[in-house]
Amino acid sequence: EDKVVQSPLSLVVHEGDTVTLNCSYEVTNFRSLLWYKQEKKAPTFLFMLTSSGIEKKSGRLSSILDKKELFSILNITATQTGDSAIYLCAVSYSGGSNYKLTFGKGTLLTVNP
Amino acid sequence: DTEVTQTPKHLVMGMTNKKSLKCEQHMGHRAMYWYKQKAKKPPELMFVYSYEKLSINESVPSRFSPECPNSSLLNLHLHALQPEDSALYLCASSQVGLPYTDTQYFGPGTRLTVL
Repeated sequence: EDKVVQSPLSLVVHEGDTVTLNCSYEVTNFRSLLWYKQEKKAPTFLFMLTSSGIEKKSGRLSSILDKKELFSILNITATQTGDSAIYLCAVSYSGGSNYKLTFGKGTLLTVNP
Repeated sequence: DTEVTQTPKHLVMGMTNKKSLKCEQHMGHRAMYWYKQKAKKPPELMFVYSYEKLSINESVPSRFSPECPNSSLLNLHLHALQPEDSALYLCASSQVGLPYTDTQYFGPGTRLTVL
């Protein structure tokens, strides 16, 4: 049973479009939700979210967490071809002294010129 | 220095070989992680070292043996691997140790092929 579900699994847009990527989760003892961008090699960190309703922004990217409805969105405005990548959502949670970190399957974003 | 380095970048080994992957960070991070990532799949957590102690072992086969010689170094010793172990092995580190969570910074990975 998937604890972290991302949607859509893939998305094709044109440069300049705005996209919204979704990540929903179902875990106990939630600690944080992280967004990563993965191109050809290792993931690179985008955002870490721990509090509900506080938007984090970095340039054209922004993200927000809703801990009541158990989801997060990642927005990218004025998309560029360089935004083409897999966007990964990961949720960390714990049970006692056990630490868990689970990734969603990712959203493959393709931005066409 | 905000970098996690991994060596080698590529490794090809036979099923009877013994090899090691190395990961290094000089950011003073107290937690280090090994992940395995197969093609078109998300990373899967293998091990977590927190304050140089093995904190998490996600039911990884014993042919993978982690080692943390000091707070900056993390090794993954490989022995008697199977072809299905071929994957990208990623190392990551985070500033705080468990049970707290923090941003993880990834190294470039080692592309492992087992023949």
